[in-house]
Amino acid sequence: SQQGEEDPQALSIQEGENATMNCSYKTSINNLQWYRQNSGRGLVHLILIRSNEREKHSGRLRVTLDTSKKSSSLLITASRAADTASYFCATTNDYKLSFGAGTTVTVRA
Amino acid sequence: KAGVTQTPRYLIKTRGQQVTLSCSPISGHRSVSWYQQTPGQGLQFLFEYFSETQRNKGNFPGRFSGRQFSNSRSEMNVSTLELGDSALYLCASSFRTGGEYEQYFGPGTRLTVT
Repeated sequence: SQQGEEDPQALSIQEGENATMNCSYKTSINNLQWYRQNSGRGLVHLILIRSNEREKHSGRLRVTLDTSKKSSSLLITASRAADTASYFCATTNDYKLSFGAGTTVTVRA
Repeated sequence: KAGVTQTPRYLIKTRGQQVTLSCSPISGHRSVSWYQQTPGQGLQFLFEYFSETQRNKGNFPGRFSGRQFSNSRSEMNVSTLELGDSALYLCASSFRTGGEYEQYFGPGTRLTVT
């Protein structure tokens, strides 16, 4: 079973627009991570946010974490065609990473 | 630093056979984790090795096994293959154990069971 669930399952946006996806999880966590996967290839780590942090930035990425609601969001600003990928949240609990089902983002030129 | 490498990249096997997949972590990383990715079940944790010891195991049958060598390289073995074992198998390495730090993934091995 998966710990995290992303919403929406798929997202299509125009280049230059912002993309927001959400992740909800079920149990308490130590940290939450976001990964990107391009077309069935390996995952690339984007950002890690610890349970005592509320917001984190990395370049065009902004991640928030609300432990009271057991949810996180990933915002990609000024999207580019190269951002087309699947995005996964992963929670760390009991020293294991559990991934959500992912959000597929398509950025149209 | 070289990234995580996995061999082979693609593999076709028939039901009942066994298969061994290999993963070389980033130099200095002592933790290696394995994941199975399928369209139906998504990304699922198989097991993690740290300093040659299995630290964690996911909910997979005993046909799935692994090991880690003293140089941190890891192998994963699946015996008596079933059609449902067709998947992308991903290996990830990390400096520390237990998913507390970012994991670095290899490109994966695409296994097709016919």
